Formats: sequence, C-alpha cells, structure tokens
Amino acid sequence: DVKVTQSSRYLVKRTGEKVFLECVQDMDHENMFWYRQDPGLGLRLIYFSYDVKMKEKGDIPEGYSVSREKKERFSLILESASTNQTSMYLCASIQTGRETQYFGPGTRLLVL
Amino acid sequence: SQKIEQNSEALNIQEGKTATLTCNYTNYSPAYLQWYRQDPGRGPVFLLLIRENEKEKRKERLKVTFDTTLKQSLFHITASQPADSATYLCALDAGGYQKVTFGTGTKLQVIP
Repeated sequence: DVKVTQSSRYLVKRTGEKVFLECVQDMDHENMFWYRQDPGLGLRLIYFSYDVKMKEKGDIPEGYSVSREKKERFSLILESASTNQTSMYLCASIQTGRETQYFGPGTRLLVL
Repeated sequence: SQKIEQNSEALNIQEGKTATLTCNYTNYSPAYLQWYRQDPGRGPVFLLLIRENEKEKRKERLKVTFDTTLKQSLFHITASQPADSATYLCALDAGGYQKVTFGTGTKLQVIP
C-alpha cells in the first residue's frame, strides 16, 4: 500500500519562528510537491522537486524554502513564520510518467 | 488568465439519487483531467483520470465526462450514499513535471 506521511498533523508556532514540515514517501517516486490549502482558494503549489537536490518554485513560493537531500524525503521550511502562513499544508508524490498524485494526511499549521 | 471553476456552493442530494458535479476551465489545453475526493482534515485521494481524447470514463458508480470544446468535465455519482459525502476536486494537467492545477472543490452532502 502506497504511503505518504507527514511529520505532524497539527502544529502551533509563534510569529518569527523557523518551522520545518517533513514529508516522507515509500513509493520511490521521483517527484514530490508541497501545497497549501485555504478555504475558497483551493490547493496552491508552493514548491516541487523532480529529483534529489532539485527544486522548482510553484505558484506561491514566497516565504518558503524546501530541501530534498534524499529521494524519499521532502522538507518545507518556513524561515520566519507569519500569521498569513496559517494553513493546511499537503505533501504529494508522483512517479515520473504517471499522472496520479498521492497525498499525505496534511499538517494543519497555526501561526500565532 | 488560466482559471478552473467548480461550484463553490455545497451540493445536497437525497440518498439514492445521482450527484453531478461540474468543473469548468478557461485558457487551458489539458492533456488530461483528474477527479479527487477529499474528506475533512485529510489529503485528497485520486478517483478517476480522463484524457483529452476520451469522452467518458467509468469506475463502479462513478462516471466522468470531458468535453474539450465546452472546456468542461462532469463528475457523476450514481446511487449516491451518505458515505459519498466529501469534497470533490478536479485537477488539470498544468504541463511538465506531472504538475496539475486544482479547482477549489465542491462539497457534496448526501442526505439519508
């Protein structure tokens, strides 16, 4: 059974803190994605990675960075958390040449 | 600009009836379109994919149509059940690296 896991289901952080969200997939997929989901705005792509150490900006990369040191792990970093980064964060992975994305359960982040 | 529209109003239907959800898009020429299901507090789960050269796709009680002239996809659930209650997202091929762009989703409530 394919699996994408995220390090936390719920997270509460203070403004200005550095936040790490981790995602691990066990399907040997080359491509991994970070989205945020907000009511009325849907899923918006923050960053994606198509290989180890490779990354590409998505539609809303400002305020975020990512790291992909190993194929199975894709980290999203909020360098200095702000209240407008309060959101649901979803990680996904997909095998090159296929179309189906597999999502993790999401991390609901609250920045106070 | 590119746009995906799903009915933001919740759809309430009686158990046993057919639910029909709509996905309209502009300024895209997608090679394929996908439908995902998302339960509250969970990541989306892939349901069906339909390619640009396909008119219709079925899977059990689910049916998807794709009209590239109208730039519209319809998603049908026949003999709906309360367990079908969820938010349904359409996603379009955004070109390259298996990227897709998601609509905001339609919340379906099946009333017993």
